[in-house]
Amino acid sequence: DQQVKQNSPSLSVQEGRISILNCDYTNSMFDYFLWYKKYPAEGPTFLISISSIKDKNEDGRFTVFLNKSAKHLSLHIVPSQPGDSAVYFCAASLGYNDMRFGAGTRLTVKP
Amino acid sequence: EAQVTQNPRYLITVTGKKLTVTCSQNMNHEYMSWYRQDPGLGLRQIYYSMNVEVTDKGDVPEGYKVSRKEKRNFPLILESPSPNQTSLYFCASSSGQGSFYNEQFFGPGTRLTVL
Repeated sequence: DQQVKQNSPSLSVQEGRISILNCDYTNSMFDYFLWYKKYPAEGPTFLISISSIKDKNEDGRFTVFLNKSAKHLSLHIVPSQPGDSAVYFCAASLGYNDMRFGAGTRLTVKP
Repeated sequence: EAQVTQNPRYLITVTGKKLTVTCSQNMNHEYMSWYRQDPGLGLRQIYYSMNVEVTDKGDVPEGYKVSRKEKRNFPLILESPSPNQTSLYFCASSSGQGSFYNEQFFGPGTRLTVL
């Protein structure tokens, strides 16, 4: 069973606009959420995270929002740049080791 | 440069022929893990290790073995590969400090094809 779901396989936005990537989870016990970014032929790289006790975390152009009642996580990228084009994975963890990943969303930022 | 290395990057093999994918990190991380990535399924954890000589199963351990004899190395062993193990494999490590699972560093991946 997939406890972390990214229902949009792909997203295309114009350079300079906002990109919003969404993630839903089913297990209310998850206590930490992360976003990873992956370029072709490379491993995922950590982007940003948020603890379940918070509802927002910001790092430069990247902001992650957590809505625990809806079991929903989103990543906002503002403004989007062509270099942001990549696959983005949402991940959720439970305890010291139990990390579940979504299937990924391929973001394309058009110049 | 801090990094996780994996070898080989690409491997084509036949059913039943034992193989090992090596993983090494130079960050003195205690925690290491193996994942496989399959279309539509994201990354699924195969095995993980909290420290030397300490390993445990992840979500999909069947058909795989691991060992952690040294802190820096965490090889993945397929004793008798089968076609359903055709996948993209990633090794990862993290410091285990603070949020244990936070900010895992991933290797570049190994694409394995089992014929």
